[in-house]
Amino acid sequence: DSGVTQTPKHLITATGQRVTLRCSPRSGDLSVYWYQQSLDQGLQFLIQYYNGEERAKGNILERFSAQQFPDLHSELNLSSLELGDSALYFCASSAPLAGGGSNEQFFGPGTRLTVL
Amino acid sequence: ELKVEQNPLFLSMQEGKNYTIYCNYSTTSDRLYWYRQDPGKSLESLFVLLSNGAVKQEGRLMASLDTKARLSTLHITAAVHDLSATYFCAVDIMYSGNTPLVFGKGTRLSVIA
Repeated sequence: DSGVTQTPKHLITATGQRVTLRCSPRSGDLSVYWYQQSLDQGLQFLIQYYNGEERAKGNILERFSAQQFPDLHSELNLSSLELGDSALYFCASSAPLAGGGSNEQFFGPGTRLTVL
Repeated sequence: ELKVEQNPLFLSMQEGKNYTIYCNYSTTSDRLYWYRQDPGKSLESLFVLLSNGAVKQEGRLMASLDTKARLSTLHITAAVHDLSATYFCAVDIMYSGNTPLVFGKGTRLSVIA
């Protein structure tokens, strides 16, 4: 158990719908990362939050958005869903780091999204 | 753009044999991580490599880092069936701080009797 929790584990929805994925980082971790894993694209970074602020953006579609709340949990919102959005969505967290040390990221169990 | 390339992408090994997975990367970040993923499961951290010449070992797995060649290897010794999984290497986008990781495509390892 990594200490990172994600809900729900599975989500089945229809095209055009909107869903929210939730993540709670490990205790003490300020950084939350969202990754998408699909068969054709592999593991892709979507977005990072650090202590409530957006820190970095990756290959995140405009239909997707995220936020991190004061208690440090994060939500990823996916809207106008398409068949191609079906994937495993992982949240990860890492301990605060200023220099060049370990940025080891701990992954949650993931949310498997199926868009029908 | 940072690129991380792993090879091979698929590996079928006999039990008891040795093999090496290679991970090349294009950045100067030099902070490299190895993860294991079982089918349908999450990613489990295996090794953290932070400096040139770093070597870490856990059981039948040994990882090393050559920052000058921008190359990491994951060596498997006397493979057993329990090692069957997909192995990913990943590199930090930046050389310091909390940054996103860029992952290789993964090496799917199958150990057969």
